Amino acid sequence: DVKVTQSSRYLVKRTGEKVFLECVQDMDHENMFWYRQDPGLGLRLIYFSYDVKMKEKGDIPEGYSVSREKKERFSLILESASTNQTSMYLCASSNPGYEQYFGPGTRLTVT
Amino acid sequence: GESVGLHLPTLSVQEGDNSIINCAYSNSASDYFIWYKQESGKGPQFIIDIRSNMDKRQGQRVTVLLNKTVKHLSLQIAATQPGDSAVYFCAERPYNNNDMRFGAGTRLTVKP
Repeated sequence: DVKVTQSSRYLVKRTGEKVFLECVQDMDHENMFWYRQDPGLGLRLIYFSYDVKMKEKGDIPEGYSVSREKKERFSLILESASTNQTSMYLCASSNPGYEQYFGPGTRLTVT
Repeated sequence: GESVGLHLPTLSVQEGDNSIINCAYSNSASDYFIWYKQESGKGPQFIIDIRSNMDKRQGQRVTVLLNKTVKHLSLQIAATQPGDSAVYFCAERPYNNNDMRFGAGTRLTVKP
């Protein structure tokens, strides 16, 4: 079975802190994605990566950056967390042209 | 702009009945569609997919129908069970893209 794991299920951070969310997949997928999920807004793409060291902006990249140094790992970085970044963050991976597999999500609260 | 949307935000059915969840999409260039199920506190889980060269695909208790003429996608669940209670998302992939576009989701509640 494909497994996508995320470093934390719940995270509480203070405004202005730097936050790292880690995602690891074990299926040698080329593509990896970071979404945020908010009530009534569905899943919104923050960034995705189609290869090591490659990244593409999604719909809402402002306030976020990403890093993909190894194929299996995709990190989301909040340089200076703000309260409007309180959300559920979902990581996914896939091969091109095929379904995405999602991790369990990280619920981030910024106070 | 292009969007993926759902006709109803909530759906309540009786256990044992069939469920139909609908999705409208507006990007005629989309060539790949997926239905996901998301249970409370979990990430979305792949249910079934369909490519634009097909109009119907069946899985275990689920069927996806694609009507490209009216840009409509539906998920049919046969003999709905309490474990089917979840939020269901449709997603589309515009041709030659790596990313998917998701609808807002429909919450399915199964009454015993």
